[in-house]
Amino acid sequence: GAGVSQSPRYKVAKRGQDVALRCDPISGHVSLFWYQQALGQGPEFLTYFQNEAQLDKSGLPSDRFFAERPEGSVSTLKIQRTQQEDSAVYLCASSSPRGANVLTFGAGSRLTVL
Amino acid sequence: GIQVEQSPPDLILQEGANSTLRCNFSDSVNNLQWFHQNPWGQLINLFYIPSGTKQNGRLSATTVATERYSLLYISSSQTTDSGVYFCAVARNSGNTPLVFGKGTRLSVIA
Repeated sequence: GAGVSQSPRYKVAKRGQDVALRCDPISGHVSLFWYQQALGQGPEFLTYFQNEAQLDKSGLPSDRFFAERPEGSVSTLKIQRTQQEDSAVYLCASSSPRGANVLTFGAGSRLTVL
Repeated sequence: GIQVEQSPPDLILQEGANSTLRCNFSDSVNNLQWFHQNPWGQLINLFYIPSGTKQNGRLSATTVATERYSLLYISSSQTTDSGVYFCAVARNSGNTPLVFGKGTRLSVIA
């Protein structure tokens, strides 16, 4: 597609529910990143894929967070047993296989955990 | 890890004024990017500038890698320039995760 598409744009979950956030990167972009942005803060790295391989998951805050990209295109970030501190905007970005790591971001998925 | 500090944290400008935003980083980098996050939350890449100077319309950026800082200049500011400006860096130019600063929140008033 023309840009990075994320869904849902807004998600309200009750504490303890599982959520799944979807990212559809730019066609042909092999690298895909997930970031978490808390209110008033800069984005913080969660995890990174090159094609279907998850090369870095050092930023995932707990084992309740899981990401996958099984066919090397669409990615899903899953959060199990959501907690209030998981409330944030989850941003997905992709980058071209050529040249430097210049990121194009999606509009984000805003998660509110009640 | 690399630390990124941005200043000032907040800036209010009258429309038409110029401004300079600063980004300091704690280690050598081969990737530095400036982003604008609009009031709706969309992050837009402004510059990829690990060194040197680039200009795009009313915006320009300069990175002095040896002194570990980058500057973003906004001239003749417009209300549509409002939002948060982020600097993000990485040690490698390849697909290494970017580390973001906390941003400068700019408000341009008519």
